[in-house]
Amino acid sequence: QKEVEQDPGPLSVPEGAIVSLNCTYSNSAFQYFMWYRQYSRKGPELLMYTYSSGNKEDGRFTAQVDKSSKYISLFIRDSQPSDSATYLCAVRKAAGNKLTFGGGTRVLVKP
Amino acid sequence: EAGVVQSPRYKIIEKKQPVAFWCNPISGHNTLYWYLQNLGQGPELLIRYENEEAVDDSQLPKDRFSAERLKGVDSTLKIQPAELGDSAVYLCASSLKGRAGRSHEQFFGPGTRLTVL
Repeated sequence: QKEVEQDPGPLSVPEGAIVSLNCTYSNSAFQYFMWYRQYSRKGPELLMYTYSSGNKEDGRFTAQVDKSSKYISLFIRDSQPSDSATYLCAVRKAAGNKLTFGGGTRVLVKP
Repeated sequence: EAGVVQSPRYKIIEKKQPVAFWCNPISGHNTLYWYLQNLGQGPELLIRYENEEAVDDSQLPKDRFSAERLKGVDSTLKIQPAELGDSAVYLCASSLKGRAGRSHEQFFGPGTRLTVL
């Protein structure tokens, strides 16, 4: 079993819709939770970073962490075609810098 | 400010040949990472450097893979000999070690796409 599970998609939505992405993880030692966006033939770029449980909002993006159920989510409001990319969740323990990534969910926002 | 630079962007080789990838991290970043990303998968850490020291190379297949980070700046990842299963994207990332030894954001380069025939 992988430490971080993520539905590979693809997830296709019309422009303006809310995109809902999620990951589950297995190790309660993970304390830091991140979402990366990766465009085709590019490296991942950090979108959101949260520590422990709770919500964090940044513009059209909202990240949620529920440590009790080991479940993390990313919501994209008013989605745009430019949001079409692969979204990777990543987790990290309190000590050390090692990131463990999910497999990524491919998102397609249709005009 | 320039991001993480990697070269070459694409490489096609025959199996059993050697290959090397180069990475120039963001200026001032003391931590450098090499990741492997297979198609449809997330990146997997191969090795992490803090300055010149390899502090985590537990996932590096040492029989054929080697890496170096001379002078604590640029880094090279080498595969010798390459196998068909090594076809993947090799990503380099860098970060700045912050307070209490933690660094939160890793900045990724565009990767080198390797195809082994």
